[in-house]
This record gives sequence, structure tokens and C-alpha cells, in this order.
Amino acid sequence: SQQGEEDPQALSIQEGENATMNCSYKTSINNLQWYRQNSGRGLVHLILIRSNEREKHSGRLRVTLDTSKKSSSLLITASRAADTASYFCASDMEYGNKLVFGAGTILRVKS
Amino acid sequence: EPEVTQTPSHQVTQMGQEVILRCVPISNHLYFYWYRQILGQKVEFLVSFYNNEISEKSEIFDDQFSVERPDGSNFTLKIRSTKLEDSAMYFCASRPKRDRGCFGNGTRLTVT
Repeated sequence: SQQGEEDPQALSIQEGENATMNCSYKTSINNLQWYRQNSGRGLVHLILIRSNEREKHSGRLRVTLDTSKKSSSLLITASRAADTASYFCASDMEYGNKLVFGAGTILRVKS
Repeated sequence: EPEVTQTPSHQVTQMGQEVILRCVPISNHLYFYWYRQILGQKVEFLVSFYNNEISEKSEIFDDQFSVERPDGSNFTLKIRSTKLEDSAMYFCASRPKRDRGCFGNGTRLTVT
């Protein structure tokens, strides 16, 4: 089954604008995590939201979780050119201990 | 801050050869993972390792793949007879419990 599908697949915005990425998943989760990947590099953990939380903030990042819709969103406010990267959601399934990644959103922030 | 380290950063091998990808997870972590990412595609789960044994594996992780944690610090992924389609970035990860994953920078495997 597919888990953690993101939309949009690609997003291009101007510096200073906000970027919103969405993620859907199919089975019950323990938590949902967001990662960032610069081109050809490793995965950097951004934020984790637990299944009993609805919203979480970290600096310019805001994550929401709607377990009834099995969806999450990542908002990056006041984007910078350095935010240009791919962003992945990863669902930590309730049963088992693996993270299942979505297809990712490629974000390009133009200066 | 402790890091997951992977070596080598890039490995080129010929089809049919065996490769071993090495990882040093964070020392007090309990769960260890291998993932792969074919260029431009999503990050795919291969295998998880807990309490010195495989706890879960995906359909990709067939008999050609094996993992070991030989000495309590290293965590290796072996591909016995590489195929062209094994070309990908391989990521090792570890985590202490049901928490954030800590990923290495990956090994880019190129099979020619």
C-alpha cells in the first residue's frame, strides 16, 4: 500500500512567500515526521508530530496533523532561497517500527 | 551532536559483484534501518534491525541482500550479486525508540 503521498509534486515561489506542502497516509500512525533533502544529499529531520497532537511549530515551520483525514501539512513561512530542497513526509506506522516515506515535494524558492 | 556515518560515499561496481555498504549508527540507538532512493524517486524502506535481528523487511530485500551488526557499532548492508537496477543512493538510519530518525549522508552505488 502507498503511504505518505505528498502534493504538490513541485512548488516554485518567490522569496518571502509561504510554502505549503501536504501529505496523506493510509494506515494508523504513531507519529508523522517531515524531512528535508538537498540535492543528492542526506535526509535531515525537520519536525515530528505525534498522533495525539494537532499542530506543532518549530521556528518558521508549522506542521498540522488531521488523523481523521489521515493527512498532514507542512508550512514554511517567509521562505528563503536556502529553503530550496525536496521535502518528504514519513509516517511512523502504529504497527511495526519503520518510517514510510512519501514521494516528496520539490520546493524552489526564487530570490 | 552524534551523527550516523556511512562509508564509502560513492561506490562503483560491476554487475554481478558483491558490495558491502557500511554504517556506524548512533551508539545508544536501538533501531537500525537501511533505505534506498533511486535517482529522482521516493525513499524506499529495505530493512529494519532490532535486538540483533531483522524485525521487518520489504519485498525489495530479497535473498541478494543481507545485514549484519558484527561488533555492536558497525551496521552493514551486503548485496551479493549486484544488478544494474541496484544503482541507487543507500541510506542508513538509526533511532533510539519511536522517535525521529537520524540518517547518514548515504552511499551512492553505481552498478555498471
